[in-house]
Amino acid sequence: KQEVTQIPAALSVPEGENLVLNCSFTDSAIYNLQWFRQDPGKGLTSLLLIQSSQREQTSGRLNASLDKSSGRSTLYIAASQPGDSATYLCAVYNNNDMRFGAGTRLTVKP
Amino acid sequence: KAGVTQTPRYLIKTRGQQVTLSCSPISGHRSVSWYQQTPGQGLQFLFEYFSETQRNKGNFPGRFSGRQFSNSRSEMNVSTLELGDSALYLCASSLAGPRELFFGEGSRLTVL
Repeated sequence: KQEVTQIPAALSVPEGENLVLNCSFTDSAIYNLQWFRQDPGKGLTSLLLIQSSQREQTSGRLNASLDKSSGRSTLYIAASQPGDSATYLCAVYNNNDMRFGAGTRLTVKP
Repeated sequence: KAGVTQTPRYLIKTRGQQVTLSCSPISGHRSVSWYQQTPGQGLQFLFEYFSETQRNKGNFPGRFSGRQFSNSRSEMNVSTLELGDSALYLCASSLAGPRELFFGEGSRLTVL
């Protein structure tokens, strides 16, 4: 059974810092991995989708990498802003099953 | 292009009642999946529908059920509500096959 872990559970950084969020999974036979952002009381907003054949995806200040062999993905946020404050979740998909990590709660202080 | 729409956004029920939640997917998306999110358990998969057929089901009791209509809109029903059913219920839609998920804003259910 796939297990997805996100460390740290919470992270606080000053504005302008570059930061990395981590996601690890136990079964490397994934089809894809998706990063989401969730604001309090809201739904999930898709940030980046990485197919199993890809190593990374980029969108603006965000870059996500995938290393299936080690069961890891990272989300890199450049030049963080207070508006980036949210919970970031990763989700892996394989065998018709989608598993989510518990998320990392990010706070970017002005 | 309209996003995923969930109704109602908020509702309060009492134990023993039943509730129906609705989800309208993005136009053209044929897959709809449902999730329960609680502070203690995080996001848990409930079930997925594709072309009116349940394609996958999570580990929830039979009180949780769903269906999908020919226009891809989906409903989920929870019968005999328990206090522990209080949660944010999220619906996501996608194109056919393993795919990028797009979520609605959720329905916040409080059971008293």
